[in-house]
Amino acid sequence: NAGVTQTPKFQVLKTGQSMTLQCAQDMNHNSMYWYRQDPGMGLRLIYYSASEGTTDKGEVPNGYNVSRLNKREFSLRLESAAPSQTSVYFCASSEFVTGGLGYTFGSGTRLTVV
Amino acid sequence: AQSVAQPEDQVNVAEGNPLTVKCTYSVSGNPYLFWYVQYPNRGLQFLLKYITGDNLVKGSYGFEAEFNKSQTSFHLKKPSALVSDSALYFCAVSAYAGKSTFGDGTTLTVKP
Repeated sequence: NAGVTQTPKFQVLKTGQSMTLQCAQDMNHNSMYWYRQDPGMGLRLIYYSASEGTTDKGEVPNGYNVSRLNKREFSLRLESAAPSQTSVYFCASSEFVTGGLGYTFGSGTRLTVV
Repeated sequence: AQSVAQPEDQVNVAEGNPLTVKCTYSVSGNPYLFWYVQYPNRGLQFLLKYITGDNLVKGSYGFEAEFNKSQTSFHLKKPSALVSDSALYFCAVSAYAGKSTFGDGTTLTVKP
């Protein structure tokens, strides 16, 4: 099925460990995004990539890095995980950054940092 | 800076009754407005959008939303709620050439 695929779905990390969340879309979208969702705080944008070859910070970029590997793939890396990064992470994509046709979201990665 | 407000954390309605989930926005220029729905343990799903044209837009699952420029609102509505509509609903706004900003979400509970 066409859409946004995120891996892994669940992950438990120890404080200080690193990991990369993977995201791939097969809709030929130009723009991709990483959000985190915390209870009572809605969706907060971590980083986004308006088009292949560009990345920009969102509201909460500290502690994260991203790579737009190609048009399809956009990864999120936690270099040294902290308990404050326990959250549900969503990748999304859209045809253009304005999201004129809406965003398509992946099913999420539930990350726990202990 | 653009922003979205969903003033109600929780909306409760009885099955068969009409429902409204409120959203107001602030953006420079003409807005692009969206509603998304999130079911438990799932990602967000696009419901409907307003870009231009008719102020009443229709979307998936019988939902509709009314754009009101003077009140800067984009409320989500449905004439007859179903128990299966119970979910978390997000409003989002973007300006031309800009990325979307999401509200904090409203939990809709439809009781039988």
